[in-house]
Amino acid sequence: DTAVSQTPKYLVTQMGNDKSIKCEQNLGHDTMYWYKQDSKKFLKIMFSYNNKELIINETVPNRFSPKSPDKAHLNLHINSLELGDSAVYFCASSSGTGQETQYFGPGTRLLVL
Amino acid sequence: GQQVMQIPQYQHVQEGEDFTTYCNSSTTLSNIQWYKQRPGGHPVFLIQLVKSGEVKKQKRLTFQFGEAKKNSSLHITATQTTDVGTYFCADSWLGNKLVFGAGTILRVKS
Repeated sequence: DTAVSQTPKYLVTQMGNDKSIKCEQNLGHDTMYWYKQDSKKFLKIMFSYNNKELIINETVPNRFSPKSPDKAHLNLHINSLELGDSAVYFCASSSGTGQETQYFGPGTRLLVL
Repeated sequence: GQQVMQIPQYQHVQEGEDFTTYCNSSTTLSNIQWYKQRPGGHPVFLIQLVKSGEVKKQKRLTFQFGEAKKNSSLHITATQTTDVGTYFCADSWLGNKLVFGAGTILRVKS
């Protein structure tokens, strides 16, 4: 019974392609997040949704577009992939916003060639 | 915006030695959460500190929150190979997002 799941686990693609990453949580949480972790392990929040509403949109290129069809799902679509997009992308969820424990998915390792 | 500084960046210890990672901020921290990420894994929540001067223990791990709420530390006594990974502190900024420190990578030599 995986609490936060992501697909795919690995993604290797060419520059310029468009790709999507999917995330689902079965914890009944109201808030979901996307984080980017670079090669130096730095974790940076990208987006946050609370009950399907976007509440945090950090300085992220508009090639990145999140979508939350319901509060258990948060997907990330990336257009025109660039080399610098190579990273690990983590989905996370929490019961509230900000102060509560966050539960992370296993990550999607994206490599752009 | 809020910045949380974490040191050291790396620490290599001999198995059985102690390890400490520190988080500091120039502004008052709201509350501090600590996470552990094993190599190839994802961050996993360890603990949350809320009160000034708070100290919490989990077996060989001791977590402290400074009296002024501007720093926090995680201390591991007698490290084991299972302790390897990256340890992150995170502050809840404005109550609506976590701001993570850069992490401390711990390697344990057996």
